[in-house]
Amino acid sequence: KAGVTQTPRYLIKTRGQQVTLSCSPISGHRSVSWYQQTPGQGLQFLFEYFSETQRNKGNFPGRFSGRQFSNSRSEMNVSTLELGDSALYLCASSISSDTQYFGPGTRLTVL
Amino acid sequence: DQQVKQNSPSLSVQEGRISILNCDYTNSMFDYFLWYKKYPAEGPTFLISISSIKDKNEDGRFTVFLNKSAKHLSLHIVPSQPGDSAVYFCAARGFNAGNNRKLIWGLGTSLGVNP
Repeated sequence: KAGVTQTPRYLIKTRGQQVTLSCSPISGHRSVSWYQQTPGQGLQFLFEYFSETQRNKGNFPGRFSGRQFSNSRSEMNVSTLELGDSALYLCASSISSDTQYFGPGTRLTVL
Repeated sequence: DQQVKQNSPSLSVQEGRISILNCDYTNSMFDYFLWYKKYPAEGPTFLISISSIKDKNEDGRFTVFLNKSAKHLSLHIVPSQPGDSAVYFCAARGFNAGNNRKLIWGLGTSLGVNP
């Protein structure tokens, strides 16, 4: 069974731009969660989608948004990028908020 | 308000010895606990989990112990190997205000195993 895939793996943007990251969960998994990890920080929870509905949300500004499609694939969008948004963005899928399986992450660099 | 706490940011052990990583939680309603391992620039990898109805779960070199009365769990790695050097995250399953399940994460402990 294929694992969680994330695209792109690396991304360089400039301040003020927007970015869209994509995540394809493990087949059969309906829950997709997004996390941000910055150097020295733990996993900062962004949001979770389940069956196309946002079920949980972390404490991030409205510039961070997401959605989930009917095939469970999910996208995360960050608008008006700031230098502090440079991070590893991780996507995780699960059957339903139990054991989460992570993708390799997208490394976003904002210049 | 950190509901899942890993109080040791780092830990160093000798190869072949036991590594013990600790995790404390505050909410007695948490019903499922997980440990993940993370190498730099990679996604975390699921290691082992335990339900709140058990006090021990073992998988090869990894054993997780749960003490519900103390709201404490620990991960034991025996024997420790250099390849175990990574950041270890503890997570607990709880519920949000809308009664939806969610995982709550600790900040991680960086384990270094010296050859």
